[in-house]
Amino acid sequence: RKEVEQDPGPFNVPEGATVAFNCTYSNSASQSFFWYRQDCRKEPKLLMSVYSSGNEDGRFTAQLNRASQYISLLIRDSKLSDSATYLCVVNPLAGSARQLTFGSGTQLTVLP
Amino acid sequence: NAGVTQTPKFRVLKTGQSMTLLCAQDMNHEYMYWYRQDPGMGLRLIHYSVGEGTTAKGEVPDGYNVSRLKKQNFLLGLESAAPSQTSVYFCASRFGTGYTDTQYFGPGTRLTVL
Repeated sequence: RKEVEQDPGPFNVPEGATVAFNCTYSNSASQSFFWYRQDCRKEPKLLMSVYSSGNEDGRFTAQLNRASQYISLLIRDSKLSDSATYLCVVNPLAGSARQLTFGSGTQLTVLP
Repeated sequence: NAGVTQTPKFRVLKTGQSMTLLCAQDMNHEYMYWYRQDPGMGLRLIHYSVGEGTTAKGEVPDGYNVSRLKKQNFLLGLESAAPSQTSVYFCASRFGTGYTDTQYFGPGTRLTVL
């Protein structure tokens, strides 16, 4: 089983739609979580951290469910510019230099 | 503040040739990483460094060597390139390993080995 699993998609949604991605992780000791965004042929960039109580940044909402070991990302009112691959990232153990584990990504295409 | 830079951006090698990829960061980060990204495989850690003069193996280190002689630079070497090393290579750096410390990536190097 992969340490971090995501549905690869692709998700094709019309502009204005709401779309949600889920991610599961296998290490119950994981301490912190992030969503990164990767545009085609570009480097991954941090989109947002995921906090235990859930957090929101504009149209983006991240949720964490430790009991079920999954993280979600909700995008409301999708824009064409949201088209990208979204990577779920897990930090299993603070203090270790190599601990960030990346999912393979979920591809989103927002259609006009 | 350039962040993380990588050179070259593109390279084509023949099997058996060698090359060095350079990563530089100007954020005074202690931790640096080399990843490769292949279609459907996600990011895989090749080697990493926890500070100047240190290196360690990641998930897929075979066929690669690294050096961190200066804090701001992290070099990735391919001594004898193979077609299986055709990939996009990303360098990343990180200030620390706290819960909120995230990684910053360079723009990538696209390597093709014929």
